[in-house]
Order: sequence, then C-alpha cells, then structure tokens
Amino acid sequence: AQSVTQLGSHVSVSEGALVLLRCNYSSSVPPYLFWYVQYPNQGLQLLLKYTSAATLVKGINGFEAEFKKSETSFHLTKPSAHMSDAAEYFCAVSDRGSSNTGKLIFGQGTTLQVKP
Amino acid sequence: NAGVTQTPKFQVLKTGQSMTLQCAQDMNHEYMSWYRQDPGMGLRLIHYSVGAGITDQGEVPNGYNVSRSTTEDFPLRLLSAAPSQTSVYFCASSLRHILYEQYFGPGTRLTVT
Repeated sequence: AQSVTQLGSHVSVSEGALVLLRCNYSSSVPPYLFWYVQYPNQGLQLLLKYTSAATLVKGINGFEAEFKKSETSFHLTKPSAHMSDAAEYFCAVSDRGSSNTGKLIFGQGTTLQVKP
Repeated sequence: NAGVTQTPKFQVLKTGQSMTLQCAQDMNHEYMSWYRQDPGMGLRLIHYSVGAGITDQGEVPNGYNVSRSTTEDFPLRLLSAAPSQTSVYFCASSLRHILYEQYFGPGTRLTVT
C-alpha cells in the first residue's frame, strides 16, 4: 500500500533562515504528491502539488518542493522563514490508480516553529 | 460560498452514546471525505464518497457510518462512542479528480469520556 513518511515531527528555525521539511513516499511508480498546511485551530490548506508536469513545484507563500524520483522524495523548502509560517505541515500522496476517487494518504505531520 | 461547514465545533460524549457529525459543502463537489486527526498520526481517512448514493470505506472505518443522500451533505455517524474515538474530525470536499484541491472544513473536536 502507498505510504508517505515525514522525517522530523518538529522543526525549529530562526526567522529569515531556510526552511526544509522532508517527505519520502513508498511507491515505485511516481504518485501525485501534495503539501498541505494547517494553522492553529484551522482546517488544512493546499500549499502545492506535483502532477509530473515539472519536478520543481512552486506554491503559495513562497514555498516550493522538488520531486526527486531517484530518492523517492518531495521535500518542501522556503528560502527565508517568516513568523507567520509557524504551523503544521502535511505531505500527502495519491496513487495514480486512485486519481478518480480523490483518496489521499497523509504523512504524520511536521510542526514548524519559527523563532524571532 | 460558505465552503465546507462542519457542526458542532466541539462535542463531549459519554461512552456508548451515539451522535452525528454534520458536514455540508456548497461548491457542488462530487468528492467528500471524513478524516480523523490524532497527534503524531497525521490524518487518517475514515470514509469517502464519490457522489450522491456512493460511499466507501477508508483506512479506519470501524465504529463509523456514513451516507450521501445529496451532493451537499455527508454526515458521519458514531454508532456507540468509545474513548478511542476521541479525536479531531475533518470533512473535506473536491471535484472528483485527485489533482483538484481538497477543501477542508474547520473541524469538530470530539471527546469521549
């Protein structure tokens, strides 16, 4: 079964520093990949998605992610962290065979703390 | 558009009680789903629906029932609440294909004592 692993349940960076949140998937066939963000006491919001059109995907709020098939990874980055980026981030995956069902499998989540 | 709405926001139940969590969307989305969120476990899919009259089980369906009589509504029923069902529940909807964004409701925080 498809799965996704997020390395590090908690990441802390200083304001202005690089943000790197790690995500690895298990499928041998490249799936569809997503990053969602959850601000405190809110639902999830889509940051970006990989659909095989380009390996470097740009999302909202200055975030981007690079799909690396050889490493089965889809890490999320932002060059300069802002205090407002403090949130929980989820990587999610969907099998291409499930593309018409809308089913997503989520990782465990990574809490990003931004220090002043 | 109101988007995806969920009621109630908070609920406390005693073991063995039943209740229904409500979810509605006004975007004419075909796909709707229910997730539960527990610390360190991310979101796990409980049930989903690809259209009115069609539902299917997700990863953790035991103890929950769903139905989809209209496109707009997708209620989640807890048949006999257990402490293991203490969680935050999210409803989501999207156009069917996975490449369309899933829109999440604000969540329902449920405590079972």
